[in-house]
Amino acid sequence: NAGVTQTPKFQVLKTGQSMTLQCAQDMNHNSMYWYRQDPGMGLRLIYYSASEGTTDKGEVPNGYNVSRLNKREFSLRLESAAPSQTSVYFCATIRLEMNTEAFFGQGTRLTVV
Amino acid sequence: QKEVEQDPGPLSVPEGAIVSLNCTYSNSAFQYFMWYRQYSRKGPELLMYTYSSGNKEDGRFTAQVDKSSKYISLFIRDSQPSDSATYLCAMKVNQGGKLIFGQGTELSVKP
Repeated sequence: NAGVTQTPKFQVLKTGQSMTLQCAQDMNHNSMYWYRQDPGMGLRLIYYSASEGTTDKGEVPNGYNVSRLNKREFSLRLESAAPSQTSVYFCATIRLEMNTEAFFGQGTRLTVV
Repeated sequence: QKEVEQDPGPLSVPEGAIVSLNCTYSNSAFQYFMWYRQYSRKGPELLMYTYSSGNKEDGRFTAQVDKSSKYISLFIRDSQPSDSATYLCAMKVNQGGKLIFGQGTELSVKP
C-alpha cells in the first residue's frame, strides 16, 4: 500500500521549459491538493480538487495548471518554468468523510535555472 | 496578508522545557484546526486535530482553540530532542474546502 506517490522526486529545469508533476494515491480519498514549500513561507496551496472532475485555485495558482485525471491522479503542470518556481512541491490527499488528516507524498524538489 | 499567520522561529529550548507554539488567523469561518509536524526532508504528518473551540490533549501534547480571539496554540510538555521538527498549523472551513497552512515554526530541543 503506497499511499501518496509523487514523481519525479528531483528535477532541474531550464527557464522556459515545461513539465508535469504527477501525483497518485491508492487511499480512495476524494480531495487532493498541491502545495509548494519555500523557506520561511510554510506550505502554500497552489490548486486543490475536492472531488473527481473539480479543481479550484488556491493561494498561489499563477504559472500553474492542474488536471484531476481520475479519482487516483492529480497532476500539476508548469507551462513555462521560472526561477521563482524553484521549490519543494507536495501533493496531499484527504478522505472527504473524515475531513481531518491530510496524507502527503514525499515531495518533488524542483530547481529552475 | 496570509489568512493564517505563524511565527517561523527558529525556537530553541532545553530538553524538558514546555514549548508553546501559536497561530493567528483572519477567517472567522475556519472550523477545523490541525497541527502537523514535519521532519527534515519529509512530508508533514498530522499531530493534533480540533473541531471548533476547546482543548484537546494527547500525551505530552495539548491543542487549544480560541475562536473568539482567532488564536490557536500547541503546547508540548517535557520536550524531547526527538520533538525537534517544524510544526505547522492548518485550518479548514468545511469538507472539501481549502486546507490552509501557517508558515511553520522550526523547533530545536537541545539535550
